[in-house]
Amino acid sequence: DAGVTQSPTHLIKTRGQQVTLRCSPKSGHDTVSWYQQALGQGPQFIFQYYEEEERQRGNFPDRFSGHQFPNYSSELNVNALLLGDSALYLCASKEQGRETQYFGPGTRLLVL
Amino acid sequence: GENVEQHPSTLSVQEGDSAVIKCTYSDSASNYFPWYKQELGKGPQLIIDIRSNVGEKKDQRIAVTLNKTAKHFSLHITETQPEDSAVYFCAAIEPPSNTGKLIFGQGTTLQVKP
Repeated sequence: DAGVTQSPTHLIKTRGQQVTLRCSPKSGHDTVSWYQQALGQGPQFIFQYYEEEERQRGNFPDRFSGHQFPNYSSELNVNALLLGDSALYLCASKEQGRETQYFGPGTRLLVL
Repeated sequence: GENVEQHPSTLSVQEGDSAVIKCTYSDSASNYFPWYKQELGKGPQLIIDIRSNVGEKKDQRIAVTLNKTAKHFSLHITETQPEDSAVYFCAAIEPPSNTGKLIFGQGTTLQVKP
């Protein structure tokens, strides 16, 4: 049973560019959340997707957007990248109605 | 919104000793508290969780206690081993719990010396 998978593992971009990160949830899970983890910090909630809609959003600007597909996989898009967007981006999945979330390995984004 | 404070930020113990990490939360309506272990270069791994209707939960060498009145919860690791070395995060779910929004503490770096 595959856990949460994310791609790519690492990514280098320059300021002003756009990036798309991908996530496949754990088998049987239908809800995907995205978190940003800066170096030395705990993860911060960006948003959550369920039934292909954004259900909950954290304190992140509109430059951060997402999408969920019918197979429950998800994408995180970040536009107009800033140096401060450099972080580990984590995807977590769960079953709707349950609290337990499982994280993927993350995508390390470096913005130069 | 919910706020979670975690301490200590670093903890060094000898192999075989116990380790305790403490967290406090601000929203008394929070009802789910997971703990995650994060090794270098990896994503957080769920190690144990507790719901507010339970005061203590144990899984082999790991236990979590919850004091709802004081709004704090703790992770206890007994008989520590070098492979327990990692960063540990506590978290609380922001009410209402169906949001799935986890609020994390700042993390504790645990070092177990052989």
